[in-house]
Amino acid sequence: DAKTTQPTSMDCAEGRAANLPCNHSTISGNEYVYWYRQIHSQGPQYIIHGLKNNETNEMASLIITEDRKSSTLILPHATLRDTAVYYCIVRVSERSYGQNFVFGPGTRLSVLP
Amino acid sequence: NAGVTQTPKFQVLKTGQSMTLQCAQDMNHEYMSWYRQDPGMGLRLIHYSVGAGITDQGEVPNGYNVSRSTTEDFPLRLLSAAPSQTSVYFCASSQGLGVEKLFFGSGTQLSVL
Repeated sequence: DAKTTQPTSMDCAEGRAANLPCNHSTISGNEYVYWYRQIHSQGPQYIIHGLKNNETNEMASLIITEDRKSSTLILPHATLRDTAVYYCIVRVSERSYGQNFVFGPGTRLSVLP
Repeated sequence: NAGVTQTPKFQVLKTGQSMTLQCAQDMNHEYMSWYRQDPGMGLRLIHYSVGAGITDQGEVPNGYNVSRSTTEDFPLRLLSAAPSQTSVYFCASSQGLGVEKLFFGSGTQLSVL
């Protein structure tokens, strides 16, 4: 699986868009980009995933660059409840579960009032 | 819909004691897994199962046993607890191979003295 690089921490003002970057310069053509988040003391929560096209759901938008070497998770109107650690994960969708999701240290997002 | 349920939420053991962490899901998911989370280490896969009667080792299996007698349940056993097993444990499930949305339980915080 391609290695990902994320900033250690970020701040965002409540009501503003939060843009969380992720670099994955060694990504392969069949690897997807996944985002999960972990609110303090809870289990990780799936947010969104994509291959090459931009994706949007009720939680967030995922923007993947044309060369696929980086991506950005966008929370359009951040609230205090979005304060969490955000994990960017790159992996092949259909590979064996024995080589599972690798959750690195992630980005600690603090939404400030 | 309860999702993934873990019990207990907190547990303190003495070195050498045994115990079982319980995990149950009510979504009829084929895949279940156990992760441990330590400060600065992200989540690391302990064991996983792709269906009833089938289990396999993850990244850090030593000191842990699992079994999968039913689709719903996937208990994690510590046969002789050690201080190095002090951690937060998360159980996760997903619908099946190739379906990547993992659902996590709320975690068990274990301290081994």
